[in-house]
Amino acid sequence: EADIYQTPRYLVIGTGKKITLECSQTMGHDKMYWYQQDPGMELHLIHYSYGVNSTEKGDLSSESTVSRIRTEHFPLTLESARPSHTSQYLCASSQYRDGLNYGYTFGSGTRLTVV
Amino acid sequence: AQKITQTQPGMFVQEKEAVTLDCTYDTSDPSYGLFWYKQPSSGEMIFLIYQGSYDQQNATEGRYSLNFQKARKSANLVISASQLGDSAMYFCAMTPNRDDKIIFGKGTRLHILP
Repeated sequence: EADIYQTPRYLVIGTGKKITLECSQTMGHDKMYWYQQDPGMELHLIHYSYGVNSTEKGDLSSESTVSRIRTEHFPLTLESARPSHTSQYLCASSQYRDGLNYGYTFGSGTRLTVV
Repeated sequence: AQKITQTQPGMFVQEKEAVTLDCTYDTSDPSYGLFWYKQPSSGEMIFLIYQGSYDQQNATEGRYSLNFQKARKSANLVISASQLGDSAMYFCAMTPNRDDKIIFGKGTRLHILP
């Protein structure tokens, strides 16, 4: 049973449109992440957050932005979508506690196609 | 620097056979966690198994076991009695316990043949 939810599951949108990918979790985790993944390829960290009002850029440069106004909500926004943004976007939250890392819980992902 | 290496880009295995997916890692941290995730064609990432660096025994979860060889920095995933539904991409990952961010390998695509 998923405790982290991403919507939409699939999105096809025209070039130049503004889009927001939603990610919500019910586990009360402070640490959340966005990964970008092309089909069959490795995951690239593009954004992360350690709590409310905390956001940082990841290892892969991205034109997207994120916000963290509530603990449970970590949306990703593209102001002007381009075909190069076509990819899968995966949201995750961390079970890091007491100095031990028990891994991520992932959402089901959003497959974005920009035409 | 932390690094995960998965040397098998793809594997084909007959149904019901056991499968071993290779993973080596590099870290100078004494305390770390190792993970395996499964990604079916639908795209979601499914957590399979976790091994802590100080755990004395190899982790097991149902048909999955992690062959942890600390001196060799190896964390191979073993799937016993493979099933058609095991066909997917498999990612090995690790993190030092002083950090929250997980490092992923490039993955191995497993095909189970009927």
